[in-house]
Amino acid sequence: QVQLVQSGAEVKKPGASVKVSCKASGYTFTNYGISWVRQAPGQGLEWMGWVSPYKDNTNSAQRLQGRVTVTTDTSTNTAYMELRSLRSDDTAVYYCARDGNHSVYWGQGTLVTVSS
Amino acid sequence: QLVLTQSPSASASLGASVKLTCTLTSGHSRYAVAWHQQQPEKGPRFLMKVNDDGSHNKGDGIPDRFSGSSSGAERHLTISSLQSDDEADYFCQTWDAGVWVFGGGTKVTVL
Repeated sequence: QVQLVQSGAEVKKPGASVKVSCKASGYTFTNYGISWVRQAPGQGLEWMGWVSPYKDNTNSAQRLQGRVTVTTDTSTNTAYMELRSLRSDDTAVYYCARDGNHSVYWGQGTLVTVSS
Repeated sequence: QLVLTQSPSASASLGASVKLTCTLTSGHSRYAVAWHQQQPEKGPRFLMKVNDDGSHNKGDGIPDRFSGSSSGAERHLTISSLQSDDEADYFCQTWDAGVWVFGGGTKVTVL
């Protein structure tokens, strides 16, 4: 079965960077893109970006462009999301997700706390 | 610009039904929509994808109590025989040129 397993919680200071991983299993990694979505405390879901493991094509939300990078490592079937210049309002749970074949699969989420 | 509109809240009694609506902006009425459930303190769970013709594809293990339908620019999620663990936030989501767009979510309360 499709599984997306994310890295553990992180605490970062303002101005730092964070890199969250998402290890995929149960399907051919290069056949489907991975999206990243975040949810600030008490808020809705915000799409951040997408990466295709097949051709390394990427797309990211305009409001985050310049701060977010999404990548993959096909040797380990792992996707990564790096967010730079962290601010307090980047405190959120970050999710990876895979769509395709009329379905969406979610990772379990990674809490990133930005605090001085 | 594509926007998905959801009512902030809905409620129904235990064992009853509730119908949630997600409305696509004008000009995007043919888009399919996915519905996701988020129980308190948990991550999102995919429920189903609803197409403009009302056909829908459910996620793994989603009970028959959950169904989808469409009417024009509206995509619906109906939960029948409401149970206490159906109390959750429900988000609709669609795709626009590779970008995921989310509705604001509907909080369902089971009375």
